[in-house]
Amino acid sequence: DGGITQSPKYLFRKEGQNVTLSCEQNLNHDAMYWYRQDPGQGLRLIYYSQIVNDFQKGDIAEGYSVSREKKESFPLTVTSAQKNPTAFYLCASSLRTGASSGANVLTFGAGSRLTVL
Amino acid sequence: KQEVTQIPAALSVPEGENLVLNCSFTDSAIYNLQWFRQDPGKGLTSLLLIQSSQREQTSGRLNASLDKSSGRSTLYIAASQPGDSATYLCAVRLRTSGSRLTFGEGTQLTVNP
Repeated sequence: DGGITQSPKYLFRKEGQNVTLSCEQNLNHDAMYWYRQDPGQGLRLIYYSQIVNDFQKGDIAEGYSVSREKKESFPLTVTSAQKNPTAFYLCASSLRTGASSGANVLTFGAGSRLTVL
Repeated sequence: KQEVTQIPAALSVPEGENLVLNCSFTDSAIYNLQWFRQDPGKGLTSLLLIQSSQREQTSGRLNASLDKSSGRSTLYIAASQPGDSATYLCAVRLRTSGSRLTFGEGTQLTVNP
């Protein structure tokens, strides 16, 4: 079955450490996204990528980094510069960003919960 | 800057009731609006997507409407069931924002048997 796989599901980090969250999709989607979700809040966009080897900052990119070396993969690194990294992180993808109705329906992974100790 | 607001934040209803969830947005120049469902600790599942040229979309017991001029969308759930219990989020895509979506905070729905 096609879908998005995020790993790990739960991750604990000590202050000052960098951690990388994995996101892999086998949907042949062009665009991929990382969102952060805090309790009682909507999703906020961290980074997104529309094609391989290209990505753009979202609304809260500070303290995060990404890469898009392969179409299927869009890992997110939470660096020690991120002041409050404890959150639920969601990866998503969409076929493309074109005009047809189904093209930009987002498909989400199951999420990764990061806790800083 | 586009802002998306969902009211109420939480809703509890008895099984079998019809209910309406509300979503409002400040910038009417949207490309489309999408409703999602999120179960606790899980990712989001897309329910309905309404293009800016459409007035409503239906899927089973769900009906979503869109009124761009007033900046509002509603999600109507008919004959609610305990399995409908989840958080429902709406998200809008502006014509000028490329592939970016702006999400509301969600409405947490509980359907009591």
